[in-house]
Amino acid sequence: GESVGLHLPTLSVQEGDNSIINCAYSNSASDYFIWYKQESGKGPQFIIDIRSNMDKRQGQRVTVLLNKTVKHLSLQIAATQPGDSAVYFCAEGFNDMRFGAGTRLTVKP
Amino acid sequence: DGGITQSPKYLFRKEGQNVTLSCEQNLNHDAMYWYRQDPGQGLRLIYYSQIVNDFQKGDIAEGYSVSREKKESFPLTVTSAQKNPTAFYLCASSMWTGGSAKNIQYFGAGTRLSVL
Repeated sequence: GESVGLHLPTLSVQEGDNSIINCAYSNSASDYFIWYKQESGKGPQFIIDIRSNMDKRQGQRVTVLLNKTVKHLSLQIAATQPGDSAVYFCAEGFNDMRFGAGTRLTVKP
Repeated sequence: DGGITQSPKYLFRKEGQNVTLSCEQNLNHDAMYWYRQDPGQGLRLIYYSQIVNDFQKGDIAEGYSVSREKKESFPLTVTSAQKNPTAFYLCASSMWTGGSAKNIQYFGAGTRLSVL
């Protein structure tokens, strides 16, 4: 079946550096993608989303890039801060949204 | 204070027992969802509802049941047929009802269910 996956289960960065979290998807018909941040013991929080008719979308310190040719999605976090430490999930779809397994981002002071 | 409230935060189930997890939202959202999260894994969809008195199965609906009698409420019952219920359960809601360009789901804080 279709799946959403992440390239790395963990990512460690130095405070102030930029972080890049990657995600691959297999459904070429996917039209909507979303990134969530989940802190320990809490529910996921929306970060940013993108439709398939766009290649890039920017938010506050975050950028999502979509490469439909290779079915790849990435989340870039600029000037990573300790508060960014969490698990990051990509997801695709609408009502039957499918989530990846997550990447745990650790920010070293 | 708007949002999604899940209760209880922790729940224990005995063998052969049905338990019900509560989810209430005051965001006036039409759609509501239940997900299961196992350690180190992503979220898997159990059930979703786009309108009162209607709901659809997700990928892992077996052993679970839901109801949607009110727009604000979407309780999930974990039945005795669910043989491995230990997990973190997350409820979400969104504005999307079809035809929208977005489906940003807003999540509650979760209920952690364990088996005694």
